Amino acid sequence: GAVVSQHPSWVICKSGTSVKIECRSLDFQATTMFWYRQFPKQSLMLMATSNEGSKATYEQGVEKDKFLINHASLTLSTLTVTSAHPEDSSFYICSAPPTGIGYEQYFGPGTRLTVT
Amino acid sequence: ILNVEQSPQSLHVQEGDSTNFTCSFPSSNFYALHWYRWETAKSPEALFVMTLNGDEKKKGRISATLNTKEGYSYLYIKGSQPEDSATYLCAFDGGQLIWGAGTKLIIKP
Repeated sequence: GAVVSQHPSWVICKSGTSVKIECRSLDFQATTMFWYRQFPKQSLMLMATSNEGSKATYEQGVEKDKFLINHASLTLSTLTVTSAHPEDSSFYICSAPPTGIGYEQYFGPGTRLTVT
Repeated sequence: ILNVEQSPQSLHVQEGDSTNFTCSFPSSNFYALHWYRWETAKSPEALFVMTLNGDEKKKGRISATLNTKEGYSYLYIKGSQPEDSATYLCAFDGGQLIWGAGTKLIIKP
C-alpha cells in the first residue's frame, strides 16, 4: 500500500521556538494532504488541508499565522508551529488520499510535540 | 455540530473471544463511513470504506456493518488474537471526515 512518512516522530522544544514537521508521500503523488492534531483521549481534529502549489485551507479556530503549512511539491508538505507554547503540545499527524478526496487515506506515523 | 461517537472507549477481551464495538454518526449528508486500525507507534491503517446502507464488509476475522438510516456501524472481531490489540477509529465522511475518539482494544492472552 501507499506509504506516508513523517519526521520527526517526537520533538521537545522550548516555549517561544518554532518547530517544523515534515510529511512525505513516498510512493505516490499527493496534491492534497491533511494535517490533524490529537489531544489525549480525544478525536483526531482536522487542522488544515494542504494543497500543492496553493495556500492551505485552515479549519475554524486554527490560527494560520501560528501553524504555517507549505506544500511545495507533490510529495512533501510541512507544518511549522511558530512561537510554540505548552498548550501546543499535542500529537500531530498527516494523511494523504492517493486516490482523491472521499477515499481511504494513508497516514504518517505522527509527531509527538512537547513544548516546555 | 456534527458528532461521531464510539463506544466503548476501551475494551479488554480474552484471547479467542469475539467482540464488537459501535460507531454512531449523523444520519444526514452521508457519503461514507471509514474504519481504521491504529496500532501503537504505527500509522493508522484503513480497514473498510462503507458507502451503502446495509453494507457488510469483511477482512479475515474482522467485519463491519452499516446502517445509514439510524446512523451506526458495528465492527466485529471474531476469535480475537493478541495482534488485534489496537485503537479502532471510525470516521464519518459527509464531504469532510469527522473522526470518533476510537475504541482501544486490548486482547489478554
